This record gives sequence, C-alpha cells and structure tokens, in this order.
Amino acid sequence: GAVVSQHPSWVICKSGTSVKIECRSLDFQATTMFWYRQFPKQSLMLMATSNEGSKATYEQGVEKDKFLINHASLTLSTLTVTSAHPEDSSFYICSAGDRALTPSTDTQYFGPGTRLTVL
Amino acid sequence: AQKVTQAQTEISVVEKEDVTLDCVYETRDTTYYLFWYKQPPSGELVFLIRRNSFDEQNEISGRYSWNFQKSTSSFNFTITASQVVDSAVYFCALSSNTGNQFYFGTGTSLTVIP
Repeated sequence: GAVVSQHPSWVICKSGTSVKIECRSLDFQATTMFWYRQFPKQSLMLMATSNEGSKATYEQGVEKDKFLINHASLTLSTLTVTSAHPEDSSFYICSAGDRALTPSTDTQYFGPGTRLTVL
Repeated sequence: AQKVTQAQTEISVVEKEDVTLDCVYETRDTTYYLFWYKQPPSGELVFLIRRNSFDEQNEISGRYSWNFQKSTSSFNFTITASQVVDSAVYFCALSSNTGNQFYFGTGTSLTVIP
C-alpha cells in the first residue's frame, strides 16, 4: 500500500531555533499534502494545505510566517517551524493523497508523525 | 461546515466485553467520506475503515463492526469481545469532495482492563 514517511520522527530543540519537518510520499505522487497538529490528549487540527508549485493555504489562526510550508515536488512537502517556542511543542502529522486516483479524497495516507519538543 | 462529534471522551471496559464508540457528523455535502482511525501510544494513525456517503451497508471485519445511519448522521464503531490490545484513542473523521482535508472528532480513549 501507499506509504507516507516523515522525518525526523522526533526532535528536541532550544527555544528560538528553527526546525524543519519533511513529509514524503514514497510510492505515489501527491499534488496536495496536509499538515495537522495534535496537542497532548487532543484531536488533530488541520494547520495548512500544501500545494505543489504554489503557496500553501493556512487555516484561520495559523501564522504563515511562523509555519513555513514548501511543496517543491510531487513527493515532498516540508514544514519549517521558525523561531520555535515551548508552546509549539506538539505532534505534527502530514497526509497525502494519490493524485492518480479520483477522487483523491478517499485515499489520504497519513505519515507516522513528528514529535517536536521545544525547551 | 464540517463537524465531527465524539461525545465519549474516555471509556473503560473489562476484557471480553463489547464496546461501542459513537460518532455523529455534520456536513452539507451530498458526497462525503467517513473514517475511523486508531491511534496507539506511538502516535501513528492506523486506518480502520472508510465509508462513502452512498454506501449505508454496515460492515463487519473480524471483531470490528460499523453502523452507518445517514438518517441520524451517525457512524458508530463496535468492538466485540474487546482485548487489551484494543486500548488506544479512536478517531472518527469526515472528508468531502469540496476539500481533501479531514475533519477529526475529538477522539475516544478506550482502555480495556485485563
């Protein structure tokens, strides 16, 4: 089956530094990828929609200058948390749909997540 | 607006008991998809089932079964003869043709006591 990977699986960084998280579709191409954030004991909340070759679409309340998204190819999207602070500590999950399938809505594959801890 | 409600925050059952996790959804779309995911402590989402809005047939997969009722906008999930390995957080989710993003419920934390 289709696989989505995330790297790193966990990261610990100091406050004020930037952290990049990669999301890759390993055996399919994805025009669109989604980034979610999950705080402890809470649900997954959509942060942004990453579109290959164009700007990401951010959900209300998500700072686009803080969470930089780049979708440079059909298999890779990156989320960079700039000037990270302890309140950014969370579990970040990406998902991708296979563009070869229509509709792609029902073929979203989730990555294993990246646990970010900001000290 | 899309919305998923999982009213049960935490459930505890004794091993071998049956348990039903409730899910109620809201959408104005005529075509939509419903999902259940299991999230163990490791965090990775485990896909359990996908159902589209035109298929109200209930489904059984081993000890798992799902009851989809469009009339009440519900998509409930039953685990029969629960086991300790079923302990996890379970999420119900909704997506539609108007957007590929998922809308997740708040999750139900299931603890199966040996």
